[in-house]
Amino acid sequence: EMQLVESGGGLVQPGGSLRLSCAASGFPFSGYFMTWVRQAPGKGPEWVANIKQDGSEKYYMDSVKGRFTISRDNAKNSLFLQMNSLRAEDTAVYYCARGRGWLDPWGQGTLVTVSS
Amino acid sequence: EIVMTQSPATLSVSPGERATLSCRASQSVSSNLAWYQQKPGQAPRLLIYDAIRATGIPARFSGSGSGTEFTLTISSLQSEDFAVYYCQQYSTWPSWTFGQGTKVEIK
Repeated sequence: EMQLVESGGGLVQPGGSLRLSCAASGFPFSGYFMTWVRQAPGKGPEWVANIKQDGSEKYYMDSVKGRFTISRDNAKNSLFLQMNSLRAEDTAVYYCARGRGWLDPWGQGTLVTVSS
Repeated sequence: EIVMTQSPATLSVSPGERATLSCRASQSVSSNLAWYQQKPGQAPRLLIYDAIRATGIPARFSGSGSGTEFTLTISSLQSEDFAVYYCQQYSTWPSWTFGQGTKVEIK
Protein backbone atom coordinates (compact mmCIF):
# COMPACT_ATOMS: atom_id res chain seq x y z
CA GLU A 1 0.00 0.00 0.00
CA MET A 2 1.32 3.42 -0.94
CA GLN A 3 1.72 5.67 2.07
CA LEU A 4 3.03 9.13 2.89
CA VAL A 5 3.46 10.26 6.49
CA GLU A 6 4.29 13.87 7.34
CA SER A 7 5.82 15.15 10.56
CA GLY A 8 7.44 18.27 11.96
CA GLY A 9 4.55 20.69 12.19
CA GLY A 10 3.77 22.77 15.25
CA LEU A 11 3.37 26.24 16.70
CA VAL A 12 6.05 28.75 15.77
CA GLN A 13 6.40 32.50 16.21
CA PRO A 14 6.48 34.83 13.20
CA GLY A 15 9.99 34.88 11.76
CA GLY A 16 10.71 31.38 13.04
CA SER A 17 11.61 28.18 11.24
CA LEU A 18 10.32 24.65 10.91
CA ARG A 19 11.42 21.61 8.94
CA LEU A 20 8.74 19.27 7.69
CA SER A 21 9.45 15.67 6.76
CA CYS A 22 7.51 13.17 4.69
CA ALA A 23 8.27 9.45 4.82
CA ALA A 24 7.22 7.46 1.77
CA SER A 25 6.55 3.74 1.48
CA GLY A 26 4.85 1.28 -0.85
CA PHE A 27 6.16 2.73 -4.12
CA PRO A 28 9.57 3.48 -5.76
CA PHE A 29 10.06 6.93 -4.24
CA SER A 30 13.09 7.81 -6.37
CA GLY A 31 11.02 7.44 -9.53
CA TYR A 32 8.51 10.21 -8.81
CA PHE A 33 8.19 13.97 -8.67
CA MET A 34 7.08 14.96 -5.20
CA THR A 35 5.03 17.93 -4.11
CA TRP A 36 4.13 19.95 -1.03
CA VAL A 37 0.60 21.38 -0.90
CA ARG A 38 -0.90 23.41 1.91
CA GLN A 39 -4.45 24.13 2.98
CA ALA A 40 -5.36 27.03 5.22
CA PRO A 41 -8.40 26.55 7.50
CA GLY A 42 -11.61 26.59 5.47
CA LYS A 43 -9.78 27.14 2.17
CA GLY A 44 -8.93 25.10 -0.90
CA PRO A 45 -5.53 23.46 -1.30
CA GLU A 46 -2.61 25.54 -2.56
CA TRP A 47 0.47 24.22 -4.35
CA VAL A 48 3.68 25.16 -2.51
CA ALA A 49 6.66 23.43 -4.10
CA ASN A 50 7.77 20.38 -5.99
CA ILE A 51 10.97 18.55 -6.80
CA LYS A 52 12.15 16.34 -9.62
CA GLN A 53 13.07 12.71 -9.04
CA ASP A 54 16.80 13.36 -8.69
CA GLY A 55 16.42 16.72 -6.95
CA SER A 56 17.91 18.61 -9.89
CA GLU A 57 14.83 20.76 -10.45
CA LYS A 58 12.83 22.55 -7.78
CA TYR A 59 9.86 24.88 -8.15
CA TYR A 60 8.15 27.19 -5.66
CA MET A 61 5.08 29.36 -5.43
CA ASP A 62 6.00 33.03 -5.52
CA SER A 63 5.11 33.81 -1.91
CA VAL A 64 7.53 31.23 -0.50
CA LYS A 65 10.49 31.74 -2.86
CA GLY A 66 13.60 32.55 -0.88
CA ARG A 67 12.01 31.38 2.39
CA PHE A 68 11.17 27.70 1.78
CA THR A 69 13.46 24.97 0.46
CA ILE A 70 12.29 21.60 -0.79
CA SER A 71 14.67 18.66 -0.75
CA ARG A 72 14.66 14.88 -0.78
CA ASP A 73 16.74 11.90 0.30
CA ASN A 74 16.02 9.03 -2.06
CA ALA A 75 18.13 6.62 0.00
CA LYS A 76 15.78 7.20 2.92
CA ASN A 77 12.57 7.58 0.87
CA SER A 78 12.05 10.99 2.42
CA LEU A 79 10.90 14.44 1.33
CA PHE A 80 11.56 17.65 3.27
CA LEU A 81 10.41 21.24 3.42
CA GLN A 82 12.60 23.72 5.27
CA MET A 83 10.51 26.77 6.12
CA ASN A 84 12.23 29.96 7.30
CA SER A 85 10.98 33.49 8.02
CA LEU A 86 7.52 32.12 8.66
CA ARG A 87 4.54 34.45 8.49
CA ALA A 88 1.01 34.28 9.85
CA GLU A 89 -0.27 33.61 6.34
CA ASP A 90 1.79 30.41 6.20
CA THR A 91 -0.54 28.87 8.78
CA ALA A 92 -2.03 25.75 7.20
CA VAL A 93 -2.04 21.99 7.09
CA TYR A 94 0.89 20.93 4.93
CA TYR A 95 0.55 17.80 2.82
CA CYS A 96 3.13 15.92 0.83
CA ALA A 97 1.85 14.24 -2.31
CA ARG A 98 3.20 12.20 -5.17
CA GLY A 99 3.06 13.50 -8.71
CA ARG A 100 3.81 16.28 -11.19
CA GLY A 101 0.27 16.80 -12.42
CA TRP A 102 -2.53 15.10 -10.59
CA LEU A 103 -1.52 14.17 -7.05
CA ASP A 104 -1.91 10.68 -5.64
CA PRO A 105 -1.55 9.70 -2.88
CA TRP A 106 -1.48 12.45 -0.27
CA GLY A 107 -0.21 12.16 3.28
CA GLN A 108 -2.46 12.87 6.26
CA GLY A 109 -0.92 16.32 6.70
CA THR A 110 0.87 18.19 9.46
CA LEU A 111 -0.42 21.44 10.95
CA VAL A 112 1.79 24.51 10.97
CA THR A 113 0.58 27.44 13.07
CA VAL A 114 2.44 30.72 12.93
CA SER A 115 1.40 32.94 15.80
CA SER A 116 2.87 34.96 18.63
CA GLU B 1 -2.23 32.49 -12.76
CA ILE B 2 -5.20 30.40 -13.87
CA VAL B 3 -8.15 30.87 -11.54
CA MET B 4 -10.42 27.88 -10.98
CA THR B 5 -14.01 28.69 -10.03
CA GLN B 6 -16.30 25.98 -8.67
CA SER B 7 -20.07 26.12 -8.46
CA PRO B 8 -22.19 25.87 -6.52
CA ALA B 9 -20.42 26.45 -3.22
CA THR B 10 -22.86 24.06 -1.53
CA LEU B 11 -25.02 21.40 -3.15
CA SER B 12 -27.84 19.78 -1.18
CA VAL B 13 -28.71 16.35 -2.52
CA SER B 14 -30.74 13.40 -1.27
CA PRO B 15 -29.12 9.96 -1.14
CA GLY B 16 -29.63 8.13 -4.42
CA GLU B 17 -29.95 11.33 -6.43
CA ARG B 18 -27.55 12.63 -9.07
CA ALA B 19 -25.08 15.40 -8.24
CA THR B 20 -23.49 17.65 -10.84
CA LEU B 21 -20.55 19.85 -9.84
CA SER B 22 -18.98 22.48 -12.08
CA CYS B 23 -15.47 23.85 -12.41
CA ARG B 24 -14.51 26.70 -14.70
CA ALA B 25 -10.98 27.79 -15.62
CA SER B 26 -10.10 31.41 -16.37
CA GLN B 27 -8.24 30.20 -19.48
CA SER B 28 -7.97 26.91 -21.31
CA VAL B 29 -6.33 24.04 -19.42
CA SER B 30 -7.00 21.51 -22.20
CA SER B 31 -7.89 18.23 -20.43
CA ASN B 32 -5.38 18.76 -17.62
CA LEU B 33 -7.87 18.69 -14.77
CA ALA B 34 -8.26 16.56 -11.67
CA TRP B 35 -11.03 16.16 -9.12
CA TYR B 36 -10.50 15.34 -5.44
CA GLN B 37 -12.79 14.39 -2.58
CA GLN B 38 -12.04 15.57 0.96
CA LYS B 39 -13.81 14.48 4.11
CA PRO B 40 -13.42 16.32 7.45
CA GLY B 41 -10.02 15.78 9.01
CA GLN B 42 -8.73 13.83 6.01
CA ALA B 43 -6.45 14.53 3.10
CA PRO B 44 -7.87 15.03 -0.38
CA ARG B 45 -8.31 11.81 -2.36
CA LEU B 46 -7.84 11.70 -6.11
CA LEU B 47 -11.03 10.78 -7.98
CA ILE B 48 -10.51 11.79 -11.61
CA TYR B 49 -7.59 12.93 -13.79
CA ASP B 50 -7.74 13.69 -17.52
CA ALA B 51 -11.42 12.55 -17.32
CA ILE B 52 -10.20 9.11 -16.18
CA ARG B 53 -11.28 7.52 -12.90
CA ALA B 54 -8.37 6.90 -10.57
CA THR B 55 -7.67 3.39 -9.33
CA GLY B 56 -10.36 2.09 -7.00
CA ILE B 57 -12.84 4.90 -7.63
CA PRO B 58 -16.43 3.67 -8.09
CA ALA B 59 -18.05 3.95 -11.51
CA ARG B 60 -20.72 6.33 -10.17
CA PHE B 61 -18.07 9.08 -10.37
CA SER B 62 -17.40 10.53 -13.81
CA GLY B 63 -15.63 13.59 -15.13
CA SER B 64 -16.13 15.45 -18.38
CA GLY B 65 -15.12 18.63 -20.15
CA SER B 66 -12.12 20.28 -21.70
CA GLY B 67 -10.81 23.76 -22.23
CA THR B 68 -12.44 25.91 -19.58
CA GLU B 69 -15.60 24.02 -18.56
CA PHE B 70 -15.58 20.83 -16.53
CA THR B 71 -18.14 18.71 -14.72
CA LEU B 72 -17.95 16.05 -12.02
CA THR B 73 -21.03 13.85 -11.90
CA ILE B 74 -21.95 11.47 -9.11
CA SER B 75 -24.69 9.35 -10.60
CA SER B 76 -26.34 8.09 -7.41
CA LEU B 77 -25.13 9.61 -4.18
CA GLN B 78 -24.16 7.23 -1.41
CA SER B 79 -23.80 8.23 2.24
CA GLU B 80 -20.00 8.12 1.98
CA ASP B 81 -20.03 10.65 -0.88
CA PHE B 82 -21.04 13.61 1.27
CA ALA B 83 -17.83 15.63 1.34
CA VAL B 84 -16.08 18.62 -0.22
CA TYR B 85 -14.90 18.30 -3.82
CA TYR B 86 -12.05 20.26 -5.38
CA CYS B 87 -10.91 20.65 -8.94
CA GLN B 88 -7.24 21.24 -9.83
CA GLN B 89 -5.63 22.30 -13.09
CA TYR B 90 -2.16 21.06 -13.95
CA SER B 91 -1.84 22.68 -17.35
CA THR B 92 0.52 25.47 -16.27
CA TRP B 93 3.63 23.68 -15.11
CA PRO B 94 4.78 24.02 -12.40
CA SER B 95 2.18 26.39 -10.96
CA TRP B 96 -0.99 24.41 -10.41
CA THR B 97 -4.17 25.87 -8.96
CA PHE B 98 -7.17 24.50 -7.15
CA GLY B 99 -10.76 25.62 -6.95
CA GLN B 100 -12.32 26.78 -3.69
CA GLY B 101 -14.44 23.65 -3.39
CA THR B 102 -18.05 22.47 -3.54
CA LYS B 103 -19.56 20.98 -0.41
CA VAL B 104 -22.05 18.19 -1.10
CA GLU B 105 -24.41 17.92 1.84
CA ILE B 106 -27.39 15.78 2.68
CA LYS B 107 -30.72 17.32 1.74
